[in-house]
Amino acid sequence: AQSVTQPDIHITVSEGASLELRCNYSYGATPYLFWYVQSPGQGLQLLLKYFSGDTLVQGIKGFEAEFKRSQSSFNLRKPSVHWSDAAEYFCAFVDSSYKLIFGSGTRLLVRP
Amino acid sequence: DAMVIQNPRYQVTQFGKPVTLSCSQTLNHNVMYWYQQKSSQAPKLLFHYYDKDFNNEADTPDNFQSRRPNTSFCFLDIRSPGLGDAAMYLCATSRGQQGNEQFFGPGTRLTVL
Repeated sequence: AQSVTQPDIHITVSEGASLELRCNYSYGATPYLFWYVQSPGQGLQLLLKYFSGDTLVQGIKGFEAEFKRSQSSFNLRKPSVHWSDAAEYFCAFVDSSYKLIFGSGTRLLVRP
Repeated sequence: DAMVIQNPRYQVTQFGKPVTLSCSQTLNHNVMYWYQQKSSQAPKLLFHYYDKDFNNEADTPDNFQSRRPNTSFCFLDIRSPGLGDAAMYLCATSRGQQGNEQFFGPGTRLTVL
């Protein structure tokens, strides 16, 4: 079955600390992968995407993600978190019907 | 700036009173999507249009309908809202090729009294 797993429902980090959000996918081929961020009461904003090529992709707001085929993972990282990064983060891939398959999301809390 | 616009941002309706949510886009994308998102959950796809071709998800209630009169506009009609339909409704667009990302609007928060 096609699915995305984000094992961490909540993560709390201190401002300035590094961050890694985990994402694993299940799909019959290498998918097109995305990370979206959603601030409270807002729509989703694309942080970065992976289609092919370099497995380390850079995104907006200082985020990066690494695609690891052997682990079916696409983890999101940031070296130094800012208070404004507090939000909900969704990992997703597009299936063959152009539908986004979302993970359940990880809520990031940032301690001052 | 090219964007996806949703109106209104907040909508209050009464139980059973029909409501229409609006989405417009200046991206000239051929695919438009409607999602329902409840608190602390991922967005759930209701349906999408690929050009004029309407695609309904199997578990979308009959209470939800959609219209796309032209490329730029898409509407979500809820014929008889129930309390369980209170949610954020997100519109998104894409260029309809598998690798292309979806661009989301800011959403409409629907409250049912």
